Amino acid sequence: EVQLVQSGAEVKKPGESLKISCKGSGYSFTSYWIGWVRQMPGKGLEWMGIIFPGDSDTRYSPSFQGQVTISADKSITTAYLQWSSLRASDTAMYYCLRNPSGWFGPIDYWGQGTLVTVSS
Amino acid sequence: QSVLTQPPSVSGAPGQRVTISCTGSSSNIGAGYDVHWYQQLPGTAPKLLIHGNSNRPSGVPDRFSGSKSGTSASLAITGLQAEDEADYYCQSYDSSLSGWVFGGGTKLTVL
Repeated sequence: EVQLVQSGAEVKKPGESLKISCKGSGYSFTSYWIGWVRQMPGKGLEWMGIIFPGDSDTRYSPSFQGQVTISADKSITTAYLQWSSLRASDTAMYYCLRNPSGWFGPIDYWGQGTLVTVSS
Repeated sequence: QSVLTQPPSVSGAPGQRVTISCTGSSSNIGAGYDVHWYQQLPGTAPKLLIHGNSNRPSGVPDRFSGSKSGTSASLAITGLQAEDEADYYCQSYDSSLSGWVFGGGTKLTVL
């Protein structure tokens, strides 16, 4: 069974760093793109970026380039999303996802979401 | 402002048919890129509903159907049920942005 299991909710202060995770299982982790989507409170879905764990090829949405870092450790089948300095506006639910066929294909599996709250 | 435009809300009575539109441009839907639809039930992660414009994954009822024409796509839901109350999102690829784009989402209310 394909599963994407994300790390738990986080409460942070502005300026702090954070790294959340997404562990893939039940499939060949290095053969599928893993991506991240932001959903701010009461708002829609925003694509942040994706990584191909097989060769660490990473692409970012222009809106998130330079704001976050996406990485993956294929030895433990885990992808990461990290911030070096959080802002209150980073408060949101973050979903990881799997894409089996590249840019033009659908997202076939989603993680359960990680709620990040940034508040002083 | 989302690149793909959806109506913020639609509603219908049980048993009725509703449609949700997704309007793009020549750099995404109009360029021939596939449109995919996701259903997000309250408090849960999105779930793939329609892929490749009109294809249903295994387990999705045939009450859900998708179509695409020109720079727009549509999701139709027939025989509306209370359990269909959710947010629906369209998604495609945009060549100008070199990445994925989502619609702003449509909240379906079953009256």
